[in-house]
Amino acid sequence: EAGVAQSPRYKIIEKRQSVAFWCNPISGHATLYWYQQILGQGPKLLIQFQNNGVVDDSQLPKDRFSAERLKGVDSTLKIQPAKLEDSAVYLCASSLDGGAYTGELFFGEGSRLTVL
Amino acid sequence: AQKVTQAQTEISVVEKEDVTLDCVYETRDTTYYLFWYKQPPSGELVFLIRRNSFDEQNEISGRYSWNFQKSTSSFNFTITASQVVDSAVYFCALSEAGSGNTGKLIFGQGTTLQVKP
Repeated sequence: EAGVAQSPRYKIIEKRQSVAFWCNPISGHATLYWYQQILGQGPKLLIQFQNNGVVDDSQLPKDRFSAERLKGVDSTLKIQPAKLEDSAVYLCASSLDGGAYTGELFFGEGSRLTVL
Repeated sequence: AQKVTQAQTEISVVEKEDVTLDCVYETRDTTYYLFWYKQPPSGELVFLIRRNSFDEQNEISGRYSWNFQKSTSSFNFTITASQVVDSAVYFCALSEAGSGNTGKLIFGQGTTLQVKP
């Protein structure tokens, strides 16, 4: 079974530029999550999708971050314009259901963003 | 408010030593789930265990064991006879399952475990 795929693995941009990350979850997984992991910290949820609907985006900085999951499968996370503090690893995860019942989220390897 | 605290930032042990990683959580929900994830250098978080709030039995899986104590709001993780391959960052996480909750995971800050040969 293929895992959660993310790209690119690494990205270096200058502040005020834009960047997009892509995630393809495990086939059949209804729920998709984007987490931000700043160096030395635990992952923080940015946005959660159930199929193609947003379940939780309370911690997404909506003035610069956007995410979509148009067909309920793969997803894109965009940052525009990027700030220095956006330097982090962006982790995508998926689960069969909402996570509250099985709790097992499957994570990708992450996309490491460096903003100069 | 929900919160997970892993007070140990880094732990270094010599191979074959036992090591315990501490986790303390806060939640107002009576129904919740606790997790441990491992993050090796590759970066991918790997699920280790899930416990629900109604099951306080300790669990053992090979060299790994978990101690869940509601009275102290703790969910500690012990590795017995540690090995170099255990070197990683370990995260404790909480998911509230009450009405209106989405099941999102709240992670602690992580504990970096280094096992030296």
